[in-house]
Amino acid sequence: AQSVSQHNHHVILSEAASLELGCNYSYGGTVNLFWYVQYPGQHLQLLLKYFSGDPLVKGIKGFEAEFIKSKFSFNLRKPSVQWSDTAEYFCAVNDMRFGAGTRLTVKP
Amino acid sequence: DGGITQSPKYLFRKEGQNVTLSCEQNLNHDAMYWYRQDPGQGLRLIYYSQIVNDFQKGDIAEGYSVSREKKESFPLTVTSAQKNPTAFYLCASAKRRVGYLGGMNTEAFFGQGTRLTVV
Repeated sequence: AQSVSQHNHHVILSEAASLELGCNYSYGGTVNLFWYVQYPGQHLQLLLKYFSGDPLVKGIKGFEAEFIKSKFSFNLRKPSVQWSDTAEYFCAVNDMRFGAGTRLTVKP
Repeated sequence: DGGITQSPKYLFRKEGQNVTLSCEQNLNHDAMYWYRQDPGQGLRLIYYSQIVNDFQKGDIAEGYSVSREKKESFPLTVTSAQKNPTAFYLCASAKRRVGYLGGMNTEAFFGQGTRLTVV
């Protein structure tokens, strides 16, 4: 079965710091990859997705992710985080299998 | 308004009772999913369905059952066999990508969740 690993359980950053959250998947075939965000008290919502084409994918709110096939990775990045980015972030693959999530806390 | 509706938001049951969680979508999506969300464990897939009258077990299906008699509806029953049923349950749906078979869907849309407490 497909699986997803997120390396960081809890990340704490100051505002304006750069962010990179790791995501690795185990599946040898064609992959669809997703990053979702869950703000406190809200639904999960899509940040960005990769189906094919340019491996650098841009999403909402200044987030981007890079698909590196050779590393089975799809890391999420943001150059400068804001307090409002405090949330839980989930990586998912193909048939909607999710990683354990990374909780991001941004200190003002 | 298009979306996914889970009801109720909070549910309390006595140990040993079966309980059914409702999930309805009006997005005309083919695929529907049930997840369990526990702190530190992310979203774990319980069951999913790619088409009406068909569904597959996810990673933690034991103690749960589902049905998919209508495209819009995918109810989840938490049975008395589930050893640790107290959790937050999320339902999602997704559209099939054009030209793809066997599970390649677009992004998932989520309901607001049901928090089940068994006492």
